[in-house]
Amino acid sequence: DQQVKQNSPSLSVQEGRISILNCDYTNSMFDYFLWYKKYPAEGPTFLISISSIKDKNEDGRFTVFLNKSAKHLSLHIVPSQPGDSAVYFCAASRIGSGDKLTFGTGTRLAVRP
Amino acid sequence: KAGVTQTPRYLIKTRGQQVTLSCSPISGHRSVSWYQQTPGQGLQFLFEYFSETQRNKGNFPGRFSGRQFSNSRSEMNVSTLELGDSALYLCASSLDGRSYGYTFGSGTRLTVV
Repeated sequence: DQQVKQNSPSLSVQEGRISILNCDYTNSMFDYFLWYKKYPAEGPTFLISISSIKDKNEDGRFTVFLNKSAKHLSLHIVPSQPGDSAVYFCAASRIGSGDKLTFGTGTRLAVRP
Repeated sequence: KAGVTQTPRYLIKTRGQQVTLSCSPISGHRSVSWYQQTPGQGLQFLFEYFSETQRNKGNFPGRFSGRQFSNSRSEMNVSTLELGDSALYLCASSLDGRSYGYTFGSGTRLTVV
């Protein structure tokens, strides 16, 4: 049972435009959400996170939006740069569950120059 | 400071063999978690160790086991390898068991033939 879903395996965007990556979850107990970025042959690196008490968190070019009623979150990258080309994973956790993250299957973002 | 170090980076094993992977966390980090990454499945949680104790466990068969030493280094063992165990195995360390404090290693690529 995939509790965190990224339904778009890939996304291609022109440099300078907005990239929107989407993530859906089914477990209403999740209360903390994270986005990770992964380059080939490297481990995932933390990008941005959001607590369930918020609906938006911004860090530079990256903004995460959370819609709890729809159990949906999205990552916006504006403007997109070629260096953003990577696989993006969303992940969810339940505070108090210890160090356990439930990941989506990832979306491969390609930013075209 | 040094990051999370995983050894070896690549490994080829034969079906039925066993394998041990190693993870050295960031100095001072007491929590180590292990994840398996396969195409189409994303990252799946294996287990988490905190201060030498397994605190959390994912839905993997008993062939997958781990341990943590007093210096927080962790090992993961897979016995009776199957072709389906071919994957990238990632470990992540954190200071105090909070999932948003994760730092991932670059992983060990295991191929079972």
